[in-house]
Amino acid sequence: QSVLTQPPSASGAPGQRVTISCSGSSSNIGRKTVNWYQQLPGTAPKLLLYSDNQRPSGVPDRFSGSKSGTSASLAVSGLQSEDEADYYCATWDDSLSAWVFGGGTRLTVL
Amino acid sequence: QVQLVESGGGVVQPGRSLRLSCAASGFTFNSFAMHWVRQAPGKGLEWVAVMSYDGSTKYYADSVKGRVTVSRDNSKNTLDLEVSSLRDEDTGVYYCARDSDYHVTAGYKDYWGQGTQVIVSS
Repeated sequence: QSVLTQPPSASGAPGQRVTISCSGSSSNIGRKTVNWYQQLPGTAPKLLLYSDNQRPSGVPDRFSGSKSGTSASLAVSGLQSEDEADYYCATWDDSLSAWVFGGGTRLTVL
Repeated sequence: QVQLVESGGGVVQPGRSLRLSCAASGFTFNSFAMHWVRQAPGKGLEWVAVMSYDGSTKYYADSVKGRVTVSRDNSKNTLDLEVSSLRDEDTGVYYCARDSDYHVTAGYKDYWGQGTQVIVSS
């Protein structure tokens, strides 16, 4: 049972927009910024978004993030086949004194 | 360019110990906090441990507390993870990751190694 809750799966057709939610609490998302990671099949995770909505250099602007209260969201617009991957949210939890990840969401491009 | 290369994985019997290592290059190692993150087969990412840039601060996941020790050698640009009393549930790929900050709670994991596989089996 992850501290951060994500839907196990999401899907969309090429060109569509998909959002992935990440629900936490006042001890984590409610007071800390959220980061998102993308893990393509068989590869190491890669930083996708940091500080709720900032894109590292090289990440397409099709990826965007938002946060409200104790929940965060990752949006992927203009879906492409190469976006098929597992996506994880993460943040620091003050109560646990630990970094926490969401359980991950597998994104399928139909 | 930033490179993180993990080593030390393998097949280990339950109850034994294992020391993993992460060799860092391409950046000023002693300016960044460093993490260990693991992933069991077919499962999600699980954060394991973090150590501050100077080794003065470290935190561990509850699931491994008491069995795991993280350490670093800034003169050799290496990060280690010692796991003792290995259990079946310790099986997985272990990644080291650089934090964007020198502090342990405020940044994000901006670079990751390719991981080293640990299999706990008799």
